[in-house]
Amino acid sequence: DAKTTQPTSMDCAEGRAANLPCNHSTISGNEYVYWYRQIHSQGPQYIIHGLKNNETNEMASLIITEDRKSSTLILPHATLRDTAVYYCIVRVANSGNTPLVFGKGTRLSVIA
Amino acid sequence: DARVTQTPRHKVTEMGQEVTMRCQPILGHNTVFWYRQTMMQGLELLAYFRNRAPLDDSGMPKDRFSAEMPDATLATLKIQPSEPRDSAVYFCASGFGGASSPLHFGNGTRLTVT
Repeated sequence: DAKTTQPTSMDCAEGRAANLPCNHSTISGNEYVYWYRQIHSQGPQYIIHGLKNNETNEMASLIITEDRKSSTLILPHATLRDTAVYYCIVRVANSGNTPLVFGKGTRLSVIA
Repeated sequence: DARVTQTPRHKVTEMGQEVTMRCQPILGHNTVFWYRQTMMQGLELLAYFRNRAPLDDSGMPKDRFSAEMPDATLATLKIQPSEPRDSAVYFCASGFGGASSPLHFGNGTRLTVT
């Protein structure tokens, strides 16, 4: 079972920041928070991940609360092409590559 | 950009036929995952390999599904015999290193069994 809770859907105006929340209250100290998105008819696309610190890359920023029980993915200037299902995933940090367990995600609609 | 390649992109077949889906992981990646996506169940893990050895196939119906890695550049998922309930999009993903390294997904094979 997925270990995260996300809103089912959200809307965002084009050009505005999209803030997608995720609760992961049972996260362990060695588990990463990963974000992926899936645009219709495509495979899941990696966005960003973090362990404890906030992270930023060319796509998005990830803000993780100090207690690590929740996080927020921020798309700073949403465009119509950002319309997708966004998945927040908690991933166990065992040795070697471990699977991603997907929940239902948040369907983000960017509106012109 | 390096990417995971899946073939075919679409497959329509009749019930009872054998189906083989192929995946070429990103060069140098040592872990390969197979997922299935349906409207009802979402994305489900079927099986995964590390260094070509199967690590977990507990998500896969054993009686009709089989997954192999004949070599480091090819992973296959076979269904024999196929059934209408197998209709789904099948995704392959590859990765390297530990959980701090992301997985990269292909664009899937859309399977329709009539």
